Amino acid sequence: AQKVTQAQTEISVVEKEDVTLDCVYETRDTTYYLFWYKQPPSGELVFLIRRNSFDEQNEISGRYSWNFQKSTSSFNFTITASQVVDSAVYFCALSEGNYGQNFVFGPGTRLSVLP
Amino acid sequence: SQTIHQWPATLVQPVGSPLSLECTVEGTSNPNLYWYRQAAGRGLQLLFYSVGIGQISSEVPQNLSASRPQDRQFILSSKKLLLSDSGFYLCAWSFQAFSGNTIYFGEGSWLTVV
Repeated sequence: AQKVTQAQTEISVVEKEDVTLDCVYETRDTTYYLFWYKQPPSGELVFLIRRNSFDEQNEISGRYSWNFQKSTSSFNFTITASQVVDSAVYFCALSEGNYGQNFVFGPGTRLSVLP
Repeated sequence: SQTIHQWPATLVQPVGSPLSLECTVEGTSNPNLYWYRQAAGRGLQLLFYSVGIGQISSEVPQNLSASRPQDRQFILSSKKLLLSDSGFYLCAWSFQAFSGNTIYFGEGSWLTVV
């Protein structure tokens, strides 16, 4: 069965610090997809990134970067020079199979960026 | 582009009262539709998903039900709310066709059962 672990329940950093959110997944499929979502205090889940299992290239988008390592089944998310607006709950997710109902979310990591 | 809207945004209902949350998607046809629940401080729980009109799959047994009367409309209902139904409800959609499609979420509805 597929599973997503986010071992960090809560993280607090001071503004401008870099922070890495960990995500470890389990799957038996060779084809799968990994995602990160952000949930700010308003509640809506905002899609950040999607990565398929055949693309291990790291991705950078502004202050955000993602490190996908199949060898360790990890898909970690780093925020560089964090800002107060980055305060949110971040969810890692895994999808396998033919339909979206096999979409599994991790428990989330609450990030607090202090001014 | 595609958009998803759900309403109402906030709801306070007494125990035993009915519930109806509605969600619509614009800008696409035949999407997969989902209802998730998030209890306070907890993760996301998939309640229902639908791959087409009238086709509903339930993930968790409860006193909630879902219906899809039109292609892009998804409704979450209850005949009698329980205190444990309180939480944040999120409607979502994805393209069909193959696995790994991104799920996009609506704004969410905060339900408090008193």
